[in-house]
Amino acid sequence: SQQGEEDPQALSIQEGENATMNCSYKTSINNLQWYRQNSGRGLVHLILIRSNEREKHSGRLRVTLDTSKKSSSLLITASRAADTASYFCATDAPNDYKLSFGAGTTVTVRA
Amino acid sequence: SQTIHQWPATLVQPVGSPLSLECTVEGTSNPNLYWYRQAAGRGLQLLFYSVGIGQISSEVPQNLSASRPQDRQFILSSKKLLLSDSGFYLCAWTDGPSTNEKLFFGSGTQLSVL
Repeated sequence: SQQGEEDPQALSIQEGENATMNCSYKTSINNLQWYRQNSGRGLVHLILIRSNEREKHSGRLRVTLDTSKKSSSLLITASRAADTASYFCATDAPNDYKLSFGAGTTVTVRA
Repeated sequence: SQTIHQWPATLVQPVGSPLSLECTVEGTSNPNLYWYRQAAGRGLQLLFYSVGIGQISSEVPQNLSASRPQDRQFILSSKKLLLSDSGFYLCAWTDGPSTNEKLFFGSGTQLSVL
């Protein structure tokens, strides 16, 4: 079953604006990962945040993790048309090889 | 460098026909291997994962099976396809044997069962 759930399901923004999406999960985790998927393609790993970390940055991406609320957010700053894609969070459980993916947030960046 | 190959890219099959999707990984050894299915506009459903040759774990009871005949080869099969087997199938790997950090995905197979 899916553990992570993204919110919102869809997001449309103007180029240059920031995009924020959230992920909630139900059980304790080792880490939380964000992936990106362009239409009809495989997923690409963006960033991983461990359960003992609260914030992480990678280029224009900022991820936060609040384990007390069992939630994470992904912020894309200064969005570009090329950021148009679906974004998924994925969580694992301790001593587990599997990742559970949410249904994703579809982001459309208008030029 | 590591690469993952998944084929075919698209497949149209009649109901009741067999299926074989193949995935191979290059440039690494003893990876964890995964098969996911994605329904249109939906998230990923884990179907099978493997931590070693001949070791297959099934996540969802279904019409599909998986095999790992070689260290870097993962095959998804069905003897008789159902309409509900349609979807986007993704193969993925991680540096095994004890991690699920950073999955690398293949480019996917779009399967249409008619």
